[in-house]
Amino acid sequence: RKEVEQDPGPFNVPEGATVAFNCTYSNSASQSFFWYRQDCRKEPKLLMSVYSSGNEDGRFTAQLNRASQYISLLIRDSKLSDSATYLCVVIPGNDMRFGAGTRLTVKP
Amino acid sequence: NAGVTQTPKFQVLKTGQSMTLQCAQDMNHNSMYWYRQDPGMGLRLIYYSASEGTTDKGEVPNGYNVSRLNKREFSLRLESAAPSQTSVYFCAIADFNNEQFFGPGTRLTVL
Repeated sequence: RKEVEQDPGPFNVPEGATVAFNCTYSNSASQSFFWYRQDCRKEPKLLMSVYSSGNEDGRFTAQLNRASQYISLLIRDSKLSDSATYLCVVIPGNDMRFGAGTRLTVKP
Repeated sequence: NAGVTQTPKFQVLKTGQSMTLQCAQDMNHNSMYWYRQDPGMGLRLIYYSASEGTTDKGEVPNGYNVSRLNKREFSLRLESAAPSQTSVYFCAIADFNNEQFFGPGTRLTVL
């Protein structure tokens, strides 16, 4: 089993839709969690950290469920510019573990 | 501020050749990382350096060596390149919150 697994996607949604991604992790000692966004042929960029109490940044909401060992990302009112690959990151110690990414395409 | 810079941007090698990928930062962060990204595999950690003078193996260190030359620079060396090392290589730095900032990547092809 991979340490970090994401919904395989791809997700194709119309503009204005709400879409949610999940990411499960296997190491229960993991302490830090993040979502990154990666555009085609570009470097990943930090989208948001994931806090235990959940957190929101505009149209984006991230949640952590330690008991079930998963994190989620919810995007409301999808925009064309949200089309990208979304990567979850789990930090079990000093190194980082990335999920393989979920591809999102928002269509007009 | 350039953030994180990587050189070269593109490289083609023949099997058995060696090369060094360079990474430099101007954000004064202690932690630096080297990843490779392959289709369908996500980013995999090769080596990391928690501070100047220290390096540790990540998930896929075989075939690579690193040097943390000073706080600013962290290089990745391929001593004898193999086709399996064809990939996109990203350097990243991290702040005390573990939030990472990535360089633009090096696209390496080994023939």
